[in-house]
Amino acid sequence: DIVMTQSPDSLAVSLGERATINCKSSQSLLYRPKNKNYFAWYQQKPGQPPKLLIYWASTRGSGVPDRFSGSGSGTDFTLTISSLQAEDVAVYYCQQYYTTLWTFGQGTKVEIK
Amino acid sequence: EVQLVQSGAEVKKPGESLKISCKASGYSFSDYWIGWARQMPGKGLEWMGIFDPDDSESRYTSSFQGQVTISVDESVSTAYLQWSSLTASDTAMYYCARQPGIVGDEVRDYWGRGTLVIVSS
Repeated sequence: DIVMTQSPDSLAVSLGERATINCKSSQSLLYRPKNKNYFAWYQQKPGQPPKLLIYWASTRGSGVPDRFSGSGSGTDFTLTISSLQAEDVAVYYCQQYYTTLWTFGQGTKVEIK
Repeated sequence: EVQLVQSGAEVKKPGESLKISCKASGYSFSDYWIGWARQMPGKGLEWMGIFDPDDSESRYTSSFQGQVTISVDESVSTAYLQWSSLTASDTAMYYCARQPGIVGDEVRDYWGRGTLVIVSS
């Protein structure tokens, strides 16, 4: 199975400040024939299923505010929240879908400082 | 509208069997795979496996191979997750999810609301 490793495990950021989460994959998620990274970020709030935030490493999901952005390629990826809002308090997971046997990172808890 | 409706919470004893369900609607059931994820209390998401309608095979991640069975009944558009003998470590929330699809020019994901399974003597 592909192993996804996130850092940090938790993050406290002041309202309006930037939050950055990193994710590393144990193998490249870049599918060269399509030049696409099979990588996503999910947001999960308490009592809710996960919600797709970013796919293809950098494309925002439906209705996702533009303060969320994704970058990276191959094995190293980053999620940036440019100006943290109160409603962004959640756990964020990276995920690979290079195979149908998805794997998730361990999660990063984002809180308000 | 795509919907995945999961069965209700279960409280079982160790050693008992269990089958939970995920009923799909709003799309052609056999066109997309359905998978299951586990979330133990206070922990992260773990992908368990999928049923692939392309070859009618179930596939499991290494942690769950041999531990659970994923199946579907296409006649009622329902996927199942089954245990033959539960243990306390199976206590968790279980989510079903459909293979993401393209709507317009966007990728959309679809998840059920989750089924809480509690295993306790």
